[in-house]
Amino acid sequence: DAGVTQSPTHLIKTRGQQVTLRCSPISGHKSVSWYQQVLGQGPQFIFQYYEKEERGRGNFPDRFSARQFPNYSSELNVNALLLGDSALYLCASSRAGHSRGTEAFFGQGTRLTVV
Amino acid sequence: QQQVKQSPQSLIVQKGGIPIINCAYENTAFDYFPWYQQFPGKGPALLIAIRPDVSEKKEGRFTISFNKSAKQFSLHIMDSQPGDSATYFCAASMAASGTYKYIFGTGTRLKVLA
Repeated sequence: DAGVTQSPTHLIKTRGQQVTLRCSPISGHKSVSWYQQVLGQGPQFIFQYYEKEERGRGNFPDRFSARQFPNYSSELNVNALLLGDSALYLCASSRAGHSRGTEAFFGQGTRLTVV
Repeated sequence: QQQVKQSPQSLIVQKGGIPIINCAYENTAFDYFPWYQQFPGKGPALLIAIRPDVSEKKEGRFTISFNKSAKQFSLHIMDSQPGDSATYFCAASMAASGTYKYIFGTGTRLKVLA
Protein backbone atom coordinates (compact mmCIF):
# COMPACT_ATOMS: atom_id res chain seq x y z
CA ASP A 1 0.00 0.00 0.00
CA ALA A 2 1.15 3.51 -0.78
CA GLY A 3 1.70 5.80 2.15
CA VAL A 4 0.45 9.35 2.48
CA THR A 5 1.32 11.33 -0.63
CA GLN A 6 1.60 15.09 -0.76
CA SER A 7 2.13 17.44 -3.66
CA PRO A 8 4.02 19.46 -4.53
CA THR A 9 7.14 18.66 -2.50
CA HIS A 10 8.51 22.20 -2.75
CA LEU A 11 6.91 25.50 -3.56
CA ILE A 12 8.07 29.11 -3.70
CA LYS A 13 5.46 31.85 -3.56
CA THR A 14 5.47 35.62 -3.26
CA ARG A 15 3.86 37.50 -0.37
CA GLY A 16 0.18 38.09 -1.00
CA GLN A 17 -0.23 35.11 -3.30
CA GLN A 18 -2.43 32.11 -2.69
CA VAL A 19 -1.32 28.48 -2.51
CA THR A 20 -3.03 25.09 -2.65
CA LEU A 21 -1.43 21.98 -1.20
CA ARG A 22 -2.71 18.48 -1.86
CA CYS A 23 -2.79 15.25 0.12
CA SER A 24 -3.86 11.69 -0.61
CA PRO A 25 -4.34 9.55 2.50
CA ILE A 26 -3.52 5.90 2.92
CA SER A 27 -6.09 3.68 1.23
CA GLY A 28 -8.91 2.93 3.68
CA HIS A 29 -8.18 5.96 5.85
CA LYS A 30 -11.01 8.43 6.12
CA SER A 31 -9.40 11.15 8.22
CA VAL A 32 -6.91 13.76 7.09
CA SER A 33 -5.25 16.29 9.33
CA TRP A 34 -3.00 19.17 8.37
CA TYR A 35 -0.06 20.40 10.43
CA GLN A 36 2.40 23.27 10.01
CA GLN A 37 6.00 22.68 11.03
CA VAL A 38 8.19 25.73 11.30
CA LEU A 39 11.93 25.03 11.15
CA GLY A 40 13.20 23.78 14.48
CA GLN A 41 9.74 23.27 15.99
CA GLY A 42 7.25 20.47 16.37
CA PRO A 43 4.24 20.27 14.05
CA GLN A 44 1.26 22.49 14.93
CA PHE A 45 -2.30 21.33 14.28
CA ILE A 46 -4.21 23.27 11.61
CA PHE A 47 -7.26 21.20 10.61
CA GLN A 48 -8.81 17.77 10.85
CA TYR A 49 -11.26 16.43 8.29
CA TYR A 50 -13.22 13.22 8.64
CA GLU A 51 -15.79 11.92 6.19
CA LYS A 52 -15.52 15.21 4.27
CA GLU A 53 -16.46 17.34 7.27
CA GLU A 54 -14.25 19.68 9.24
CA ARG A 55 -13.92 18.19 12.71
CA GLY A 56 -11.41 20.54 14.26
CA ARG A 57 -9.40 23.65 13.69
CA GLY A 58 -6.23 24.88 15.35
CA ASN A 59 -5.24 28.42 16.20
CA PHE A 60 -4.69 29.62 12.64
CA PRO A 61 -6.21 32.65 10.88
CA ASP A 62 -9.07 32.46 8.41
CA ARG A 63 -6.54 32.75 5.59
CA PHE A 64 -6.13 29.02 6.07
CA SER A 65 -8.88 26.78 4.73
CA ALA A 66 -9.19 23.17 3.68
CA ARG A 67 -11.56 20.65 2.25
CA GLN A 68 -11.84 16.91 1.83
CA PHE A 69 -13.14 15.23 -1.28
CA PRO A 70 -15.36 12.12 -1.68
CA ASN A 71 -12.23 10.00 -2.29
CA TYR A 72 -10.87 11.32 1.07
CA SER A 73 -8.06 13.31 -0.51
CA SER A 74 -7.68 16.82 0.81
CA GLU A 75 -6.51 20.29 -0.12
CA LEU A 76 -5.12 22.98 2.12
CA ASN A 77 -5.46 26.56 0.87
CA VAL A 78 -3.63 29.55 2.23
CA ASN A 79 -4.56 33.03 1.01
CA ALA A 80 -2.68 36.31 1.25
CA LEU A 81 0.61 34.59 2.04
CA LEU A 82 2.92 36.11 4.64
CA LEU A 83 6.63 35.51 5.12
CA GLY A 84 5.74 33.75 8.37
CA ASP A 85 3.77 31.12 6.47
CA SER A 86 7.05 29.64 5.27
CA ALA A 87 7.11 26.14 6.75
CA LEU A 88 6.81 22.43 6.08
CA TYR A 89 3.14 21.57 5.71
CA LEU A 90 2.36 18.03 6.74
CA CYS A 91 -0.65 15.90 6.04
CA ALA A 92 -1.53 13.09 8.45
CA SER A 93 -3.77 10.19 7.57
CA SER A 94 -5.67 8.08 10.07
CA ARG A 95 -8.26 5.37 9.84
CA ALA A 96 -10.84 6.97 12.11
CA GLY A 97 -11.73 10.50 12.96
CA HIS A 98 -11.74 10.91 16.68
CA SER A 99 -11.29 7.55 18.29
CA ARG A 100 -9.07 6.98 21.25
CA GLY A 101 -5.52 6.14 20.28
CA THR A 102 -5.89 6.71 16.57
CA GLU A 103 -2.52 6.24 14.85
CA ALA A 104 -1.60 9.03 12.48
CA PHE A 105 0.77 8.55 9.57
CA PHE A 106 2.44 11.56 8.02
CA GLY A 107 3.37 12.34 4.45
CA GLN A 108 6.75 13.75 3.46
CA GLY A 109 5.35 17.26 3.54
CA THR A 110 5.30 20.27 1.25
CA ARG A 111 8.06 22.79 1.86
CA LEU A 112 6.54 26.23 1.28
CA THR A 113 8.82 29.23 1.00
CA VAL A 114 7.28 32.70 0.87
CA VAL A 115 9.53 35.43 -0.47
CA GLN B 1 -2.39 23.03 29.79
CA GLN B 2 -2.19 21.53 26.35
CA GLN B 3 1.59 21.80 26.13
CA VAL B 4 3.99 18.91 25.95
CA LYS B 5 7.45 19.79 27.24
CA GLN B 6 10.34 17.85 25.72
CA SER B 7 13.98 17.64 26.80
CA PRO B 8 16.80 17.73 26.03
CA GLN B 9 16.85 19.91 22.94
CA SER B 10 19.84 18.02 21.57
CA LEU B 11 21.76 14.90 22.51
CA ILE B 12 25.03 13.33 21.39
CA VAL B 13 25.87 9.72 22.25
CA GLN B 14 28.43 7.16 21.18
CA LYS B 15 27.39 4.19 19.11
CA GLY B 16 25.92 1.55 21.41
CA GLY B 17 24.85 4.13 23.99
CA ILE B 18 21.29 4.52 25.32
CA PRO B 19 19.93 8.00 24.64
CA ILE B 20 16.93 8.95 26.75
CA ILE B 21 14.45 11.64 25.73
CA ASN B 22 11.92 12.93 28.20
CA CYS B 23 8.49 14.51 27.86
CA ALA B 24 6.05 15.94 30.39
CA TYR B 25 2.43 16.98 30.10
CA GLU B 26 -0.21 18.64 32.27
CA ASN B 27 -3.58 17.70 30.81
CA THR B 28 -4.78 14.37 32.17
CA ALA B 29 -7.26 14.10 29.30
CA PHE B 30 -4.42 13.03 26.99
CA ASP B 31 -4.93 9.35 26.23
CA TYR B 32 -2.36 8.40 23.61
CA PHE B 33 1.35 9.16 23.49
CA PRO B 34 3.25 8.46 20.26
CA TRP B 35 6.87 9.10 19.39
CA TYR B 36 7.91 10.18 15.92
CA GLN B 37 11.29 10.08 14.19
CA GLN B 38 12.03 12.69 11.56
CA PHE B 39 14.95 12.84 9.16
CA PRO B 40 15.86 16.12 7.42
CA GLY B 41 13.50 16.92 4.58
CA LYS B 42 11.11 14.10 5.50
CA GLY B 43 7.84 13.86 7.33
CA PRO B 44 7.65 12.41 10.85
CA ALA B 45 7.49 8.61 10.97
CA LEU B 46 5.58 6.85 13.75
CA LEU B 47 8.06 4.96 15.90
CA ILE B 48 6.21 3.64 18.91
CA ALA B 49 3.20 4.68 20.99
CA ILE B 50 1.75 3.99 24.41
CA ARG B 51 -1.55 4.41 26.23
CA PRO B 52 -1.70 5.63 29.85
CA ASP B 53 -2.86 2.28 31.23
CA VAL B 54 0.53 0.76 30.36
CA SER B 55 3.80 1.63 32.14
CA GLU B 56 6.24 0.36 29.53
CA LYS B 57 6.24 -0.72 25.91
CA LYS B 58 9.09 -2.17 23.86
CA GLU B 59 9.38 -2.45 20.11
CA GLY B 60 12.75 -3.62 18.89
CA ARG B 61 15.41 -1.26 20.24
CA PHE B 62 12.87 1.39 21.25
CA THR B 63 11.23 1.50 24.69
CA ILE B 64 8.69 3.93 26.10
CA SER B 65 8.47 4.32 29.86
CA PHE B 66 5.29 5.96 31.13
CA ASN B 67 4.71 7.44 34.60
CA LYS B 68 1.06 8.38 34.86
CA SER B 69 1.28 9.89 38.35
CA ALA B 70 4.19 12.13 37.37
CA LYS B 71 2.64 12.86 33.97
CA GLN B 72 5.91 12.03 32.27
CA PHE B 73 7.02 9.64 29.57
CA SER B 74 10.34 8.89 27.97
CA LEU B 75 11.90 7.19 24.97
CA HIS B 76 14.94 4.95 25.36
CA ILE B 77 16.92 3.79 22.33
CA MET B 78 18.93 0.66 23.08
CA ASP B 79 22.22 -0.03 21.29
CA SER B 80 21.96 3.23 19.36
CA GLN B 81 23.38 3.35 15.84
CA PRO B 82 24.54 6.22 13.60
CA GLY B 83 21.42 5.59 11.50
CA ASP B 84 19.32 6.62 14.50
CA SER B 85 20.62 10.18 14.14
CA ALA B 86 17.45 12.17 13.59
CA THR B 87 15.04 14.50 15.36
CA TYR B 88 12.62 12.80 17.74
CA PHE B 89 9.26 14.25 18.70
CA CYS B 90 6.98 13.14 21.48
CA ALA B 91 3.29 13.87 21.16
CA ALA B 92 0.10 13.58 23.15
CA SER B 93 -3.39 13.37 21.83
CA MET B 94 -6.94 13.51 23.05
CA ALA B 95 -10.45 13.85 21.71
CA ALA B 96 -11.87 17.33 22.21
CA SER B 97 -14.81 19.10 20.60
CA GLY B 98 -15.30 16.38 18.01
CA THR B 99 -11.71 16.26 16.84
CA TYR B 100 -8.62 14.29 17.66
CA LYS B 101 -5.39 16.23 17.39
CA TYR B 102 -1.81 15.72 18.37
CA ILE B 103 0.16 18.17 20.52
CA PHE B 104 3.84 17.82 19.75
CA GLY B 105 6.89 18.52 21.83
CA THR B 106 9.60 20.79 20.48
CA GLY B 107 11.84 17.94 19.36
CA THR B 108 15.19 16.45 20.33
CA ARG B 109 18.00 16.37 17.81
CA LEU B 110 19.94 13.14 18.36
CA LYS B 111 23.38 12.48 16.97
CA VAL B 112 24.93 9.04 17.36
CA LEU B 113 28.67 9.02 16.80
CA ALA B 114 30.24 6.08 14.99
